[in-house]
Amino acid sequence: GPKVLQIPSHQIIDMGQMVTLNCDPVSNHLYFYWYKQILGQQMEFLVNFYNGKVMEKSKLFKDQFSVERPDGSYFTLKIQPTALEDSAVYFCASSLTGGHSDYTFGSGTRLLVI
Amino acid sequence: GDSVTQTEGQVALSEEDFLTIHCNYSASGYPTLFWYVQYPGEGPQLLFRASRDKEKGSSRGFEATYDKGTTSFHLRKASVQESDSAVYYCALSDNNAGAKLTFGGGTRLTVRP
Repeated sequence: GPKVLQIPSHQIIDMGQMVTLNCDPVSNHLYFYWYKQILGQQMEFLVNFYNGKVMEKSKLFKDQFSVERPDGSYFTLKIQPTALEDSAVYFCASSLTGGHSDYTFGSGTRLLVI
Repeated sequence: GDSVTQTEGQVALSEEDFLTIHCNYSASGYPTLFWYVQYPGEGPQLLFRASRDKEKGSSRGFEATYDKGTTSFHLRKASVQESDSAVYYCALSDNNAGAKLTFGGGTRLTVRP
């Protein structure tokens, strides 16, 4: 079936540096999401995005986080500056209708902040 | 806010055993309920969902019934296989476009051959 691709699959970065996580969503999808999963813990919603705007963000979506999808390219999550507690697996998801029948997750980017 | 509780953090079974993973939810509205499965190195994949009270979702021999009275959506399978070993997540969402998923803590299922 259609896939969401996440690039890179792994990233190690020094604390305080900027990192950009890239997501190539399913080609005709319109709604985009980021989730965060700390090792051994549950998946938690960060933000969703539609028509160039953030629809909703959680308390985990700190001021240092930002998302964008310029001109139909990658949907990106930028963290600037990074902190140790940002170490986690970040999952991107996309859907066409915003409903649940076609909600597709990527395989995640494993971010380690040292 | 909304929340999902999975009672079992880990379950270890032998092939052909019966599986139950308990899921209870708390939500202000009338959510859609989901079961997702996650294999190592991959993102969650939808097993099935249910949107109405008493609706049964099923896939690959797994099933769960939406119970609004007990706010539960327990996952069951009559006879597990080694290939079912994975992490299973119960989740809920409201029915607005672009709505977020709220996940439970996950249950790691290990099936011995």
